[in-house]
Amino acid sequence: DIQLTQSPPLLSASVGDTVTITCRASQAVSKYFAWYQQTPGEAPKLLIYAAYSLQSGVPSRFSGGGSGTEFTLTISTLQPEDFATYYCQQLITYPYTFGQGTKLEIK
Amino acid sequence: EVQLAQSGAEVKKPGESLKISCKGTGYSFSSYWIGWVRQMPGKGLEWMGVIYPDDSDTRYSPSVQGQVTISVDKSINTAYVQWSSLKASDTAMYYCARTGVSDSFHIWGQGTMVTVS
Repeated sequence: DIQLTQSPPLLSASVGDTVTITCRASQAVSKYFAWYQQTPGEAPKLLIYAAYSLQSGVPSRFSGGGSGTEFTLTISTLQPEDFATYYCQQLITYPYTFGQGTKLEIK
Repeated sequence: EVQLAQSGAEVKKPGESLKISCKGTGYSFSSYWIGWVRQMPGKGLEWMGVIYPDDSDTRYSPSVQGQVTISVDKSINTAYVQWSSLKASDTAMYYCARTGVSDSFHIWGQGTMVTVS
């Protein structure tokens, strides 16, 4: 299986900050990569697919980047509703593994 | 509106069988892969497997292969995951989700909580 390592596991930030979450894959996944957001008690929500394509309805302050083995999710000008847990996922080889998650909390 | 509606919460005893469901509405059910994702209490997301409703092509994660069966009844636009003998370690929230323009999960169900105790 392809292993995904997210960093940091926990990120403290304030409303208005810009933050970046990184996900490293144990082998190259080209641009077959996605990011999800999950708030407590809710189902995950797709934010970014194909490494940098913004899912319909997702605010433009979310952006994805990277290719190969290193990917980033950047959230600009944090809003109160952005404090959640974020997961990366690779989609090049079954099983389509997820990262362990990054919890973004209010400082 | 595209929706996935999952069956309700279940409480079972170890050794019992269970089948939970996920009904798709508002789109061509046979045309998109549907997958299942497990989330144990307080833990992250775990990809279990996917099925293509049109031909029932199914792919499993090695971590669940042989432990669960993913199936579909396209006549009623419904996907399933089933266990023949539950364990306490199967206690989790189970989400179904549908692919979109990519293999990412673009649409998610609301989740089904399974408690085995």
